[in-house]
Amino acid sequence: GAVVSQHPSWVICKSGTSVKIECRSLDFQATTMFWYRQFPKQSLMLMATSNEGSKATYEQGVEKDKFLINHASLTLSTLTVTSAHPEDSSFYICSARGGTGSRNEQFFGPGTRLTVL
Amino acid sequence: GNSVTQMEGPVTLSEEAFLTINCTYTATGYPSLFWYVQYPGEGLQLLLKATKADDKGSNKGFEATYRKETTSFHLEKGSVQVSDSAVYFCALSSNTNAGKSTFGDGTTLTVKP
Repeated sequence: GAVVSQHPSWVICKSGTSVKIECRSLDFQATTMFWYRQFPKQSLMLMATSNEGSKATYEQGVEKDKFLINHASLTLSTLTVTSAHPEDSSFYICSARGGTGSRNEQFFGPGTRLTVL
Repeated sequence: GNSVTQMEGPVTLSEEAFLTINCTYTATGYPSLFWYVQYPGEGLQLLLKATKADDKGSNKGFEATYRKETTSFHLEKGSVQVSDSAVYFCALSSNTNAGKSTFGDGTTLTVKP
């Protein structure tokens, strides 16, 4: 149990286009989902916290108009990178909290590699 | 605020060697502690966890003990294999920080045959 999927696993897009990344909890209801960004050989940087039915909470320095987050249901959160630029190229990872694990445990998706040309 | 400090890498070991990756933390309240493993091109997988002081988490031969007195959660394995080559992240999560996780910088382990 406690499986989180992401789609797509990788995407290449042209500069100026928007890209949507989906994060799904497959076998549990996720009241909270987190979105992270990871640069090569670096740790995870928390971008935002997404709660079902409410607006996402963004970390300092993260542009909310650039990275749109929608947590429409207890099993789905989406991250849309709007007007993508090459500097947005990164590995994006989501995690979900809920299910049968401890309340402080997060379950991670496999990540989405975004490359902006 | 919360913070996690991990032993700097990279770490290179021969197969069957003993592994220790140090992790210390600073946190308010009573955090849960985690070790995650990340293989190349993949997301994070939970390796083990401990939710209170003196708890020992273990999985796949890896162990870590929650030491409140030294605020540490060092990862150990008695005999590493080539397949253990990956990046290891120490992390904590606390309800005093809205359940957010704080990660260490990661330690890259390479095991040579």
